[in-house]
Amino acid sequence: DAKTTQPPSMDCAEGRAANLPCNHSTISGNEYVYWYRQIHSQGPQYIIHGLKNNETNEMASLIITEDRKSSTLILPHATLRDTAVYYCIVRFTSGTYKYIFGTGTRLKVLA
Amino acid sequence: KAGVTQTPRYLIKTRGQQVTLSCSPISGHRSVSWYQQTPGQGLQFLFEYFSETQRNKGNFPGRFSGRQFSNSRSEMNVSTLELGDSALYLCASSLPTGHTDTQYFGPGTRLTVL
Repeated sequence: DAKTTQPPSMDCAEGRAANLPCNHSTISGNEYVYWYRQIHSQGPQYIIHGLKNNETNEMASLIITEDRKSSTLILPHATLRDTAVYYCIVRFTSGTYKYIFGTGTRLKVLA
Repeated sequence: KAGVTQTPRYLIKTRGQQVTLSCSPISGHRSVSWYQQTPGQGLQFLFEYFSETQRNKGNFPGRFSGRQFSNSRSEMNVSTLELGDSALYLCASSLPTGHTDTQYFGPGTRLTVL
């Protein structure tokens, strides 16, 4: 599985967009990018995933570069409840469900 | 639809004892994976079960074992507990139906070894 690199921490003002980057330069063609977040040592919560096209759901948007070597998770209007550790993961499209978690980005939303 | 449930939520054991943790996946999900989370090592994959068979295993000693039942419920067991086994143990389930399947995590079991 490809490894990911994320900044260890970021701050964002409440109501502003939070842009969380992820580098996955060794990603292969059949690997998806997944984003999860973990709040207060609860179980990780699924946010969004994508292969090569940009994706959007009710929680966030995922922008993947054309060469697929990096991506950005966008929380359009961050709230205090979005304070969490955000994990970017890449995994094969089929087969085992083994996720390799990195250290993630600790996002702090400031009032 | 109910989410992944894990029991117990908190557990305190002493060194040398063994422990069994339980995970009930989302209804209809057939794959169950287990992860260990510690402050020092982060989230690490333990093993994955699908249709009662272990499909993948992480780099953990043989003291860590698991199984899955015909109803997809899963248990993991840790024997001869060590202080370093203190961690949050997370279970995740997925269908699977295809290449975009997503894992959904339970709340975890917090194990403290004294």
